[in-house]
Amino acid sequence: EVQLVESGGGLVQPGGSLRLSCAASGFTFSGIWMKWVRQAPGKGLEWVANIKQDGSEEHYVDSVKGRFTISRDNAKNSLYLQMNSLRVEDTAVYYCATGRGTYWGQGTLVTVSS
Amino acid sequence: QAVLTQPASVSGSPGQSITISCTGTSSDVGGYKYVSWYQQHPGKAPKLMIYEVNNRPSGVSNRFSGSKSGNTASLTISGLQAEDEADYYCSSYTSNSIYVFGTGTKVTVL
Repeated sequence: EVQLVESGGGLVQPGGSLRLSCAASGFTFSGIWMKWVRQAPGKGLEWVANIKQDGSEEHYVDSVKGRFTISRDNAKNSLYLQMNSLRVEDTAVYYCATGRGTYWGQGTLVTVSS
Repeated sequence: QAVLTQPASVSGSPGQSITISCTGTSSDVGGYKYVSWYQQHPGKAPKLMIYEVNNRPSGVSNRFSGSKSGNTASLTISGLQAEDEADYYCSSYTSNSIYVFGTGTKVTVL
C-alpha cells in the first residue's frame, strides 16, 4: 500500500523557519519526481515545488523562490521542504505528492502568525 | 504565475452530464499534453481523476473523461452521482518548467 505521511507543520512567527518532511512507502521512491502543493484555508490549490528523481533538478513557484528549498533522501524514502523567511501568506495545508499526482499525503498545517 | 481559469460552480441533476472548462494560454494548457484534473472533497487530499489530458488512473470511474482544444481543457462527468459533489481543479505544465492549478470549480448535484 502506498503511503505518504507529512510531518513538521505547526505555528511559527513571521520570519521564522520550518522543515516539513514526507515519509514515503509502498512504491519505488527513487524512481519518480516528487512535489509539494499547498492550500491556504478556504482557498484553492497552489503548486509549490518539485524535484527530480536524483535531486539534480528542482523548480519553484515564484512566490517561494529563494525562501523554500525542496530536497530528498532516497536512502530514507523521504521528501523535505525547508521553509525560511516565512510570511503570513504562507499559511496553508502542505501536501506532498508523487510527480504525476497519483498519490498524496494527508497534509500538514503550517500557520504563520505573530 | 497566472492560474488557469475555471468556472466557480457547475451544477447538474443525478444522471446528467456536466463539463468543467479550464482556460489557459499557449504557454501552458495549449502547449503541452500535461493537463491533469483533481477531485477534492472537504477536508480531504486531492484525488487524481485525469492525467495527460485524457487518461484515467486505475480505479477512476469511466464516467470521468478529459479533452483539450487549443488553450482550453475540459473535464466531463457523465451519469452524475451524489458522490461526485466536490471541488475540481485542473493543472497544467508550463513553459517556465513549473505547474499551475486552476481556480477550482465547485460541483453541486441537485
